[in-house]
Amino acid sequence: EAAVTQSPRNKVTVTGGNVTLSCRQTNSHNYMYWYRQDTGHGLRLIHYSYGAGNLQIGDVPDGYKATRTTQEDFFLLLELASPSQTSLYFCASSDANEQYFGPGTRLTVL
Amino acid sequence: GQQVQQSPASLVLQEGENAELQCNFSSTATRLQWFYQHPGGRLVSLFYNPSGTKHTGRLTSTTVTNERRSSLHISSSQTTDSGTYFCAIATGYQNFYFGKGTSLTVIP
Repeated sequence: EAAVTQSPRNKVTVTGGNVTLSCRQTNSHNYMYWYRQDTGHGLRLIHYSYGAGNLQIGDVPDGYKATRTTQEDFFLLLELASPSQTSLYFCASSDANEQYFGPGTRLTVL
Repeated sequence: GQQVQQSPASLVLQEGENAELQCNFSSTATRLQWFYQHPGGRLVSLFYNPSGTKHTGRLTSTTVTNERRSSLHISSSQTTDSGTYFCAIATGYQNFYFGKGTSLTVIP
């Protein structure tokens, strides 16, 4: 079974704050993804990567940076958090077929 | 990108009834996955099913690739089936696109 972990699981910050969300996968998958989920929108792709040092822009990238430091680790950075970034964030990894999701991080920006 | 339409948006069932959830997509999909989201937020993969029919327990997924549709059938629903069901589509090595989900409520 694929294993994807995320930290923290919950985070509260203030407007303008600096937040880093972490994701680790232990399956040697090449692809990793960051999504956000908001009511009425399903899951939307923020950034993704197909290997260490690689970064690709997703569908809703504004206000987010990401970095893939190793094959296992993918980070999402919010450098000036805004209330509109309050959301449930998911990380996923994939092989050539299906995606495996982490448990999610609930972020609140006050 | 892909357009993924799920229907119905919401569904309320009496325990024991069956449910049929639909997923239609705009372009050819070579990868298709159904997910269940617990009320608390956790996403669970139900099926990876880009074509044909797959079964697990009370769940059946049927994908007709050339008609760009997939369905998820839940038989003899239980209250623990309550939650939101998503389908996600990808073409080749491109990204998955998600539908907006079907919210299912099963009442005892």
